[in-house]
Amino acid sequence: QQPVQSPQAVILREGEDAVINCSSSKALYSVHWYRQKHGEAPVFLMILLKGGEQKGHEKISASFNEKKQQSSLYLTASQLSYSGTYFCGTETETTDSWGKLQFGAGTQVVVTP
Amino acid sequence: EAQVTQNPRYLITVTGKKLTVTCSQNMNHEYMSWYRQDPGLGLRQIYYSMNVEVTDKGDVPEGYKVSRKEKRNFPLILESPSPNQTSLYFCASSHSLAGGYEQYFGPGTRLTVT
Repeated sequence: QQPVQSPQAVILREGEDAVINCSSSKALYSVHWYRQKHGEAPVFLMILLKGGEQKGHEKISASFNEKKQQSSLYLTASQLSYSGTYFCGTETETTDSWGKLQFGAGTQVVVTP
Repeated sequence: EAQVTQNPRYLITVTGKKLTVTCSQNMNHEYMSWYRQDPGLGLRQIYYSMNVEVTDKGDVPEGYKVSRKEKRNFPLILESPSPNQTSLYFCASSHSLAGGYEQYFGPGTRLTVT
């Protein structure tokens, strides 16, 4: 089952903040975040691992609540370049799921001047 | 330049005509994966491979085949394409999915089956 992302879309003015949520019904080992601009391939932003280790993008942050099986991506002081569709991908803890990555339906972010 | 390449980038074909979409990476990555992207559904994993000769089904494997005979190549085969396989396809590779390594995506292949 795919993770659920919210909101589906958000419109921001430059400099505003936004939060994108990703939740799963299964225990998670990792959460991956990617951004895709129109007509392009998804580009890596960040990975969060069970246990709290965080890797990723210097101007966008994220949290991972293992107990709630949720992750949130924080866009702070948004820039025009932040526009695009954001996807979370989840890897679950079951042994038959190693290597299996399920993505949410995406959150479209539009940043206006 | 480190990259994932896919060919062809665009393909229009007819129902039932076998086709192969090639994927190649030059980063010596162990993990490779195929996704399809449809409006409103995000990216859905078709097949993935943890290493040479090791492949597993993703969430939507029906109607697709893959092989991993060499580390760098991971072709996607549609033996008998149908219109519901019209989609945008992405190949991706990673050093490893575990341990927090990013996936690098290819440019995509837009397939239309009439």
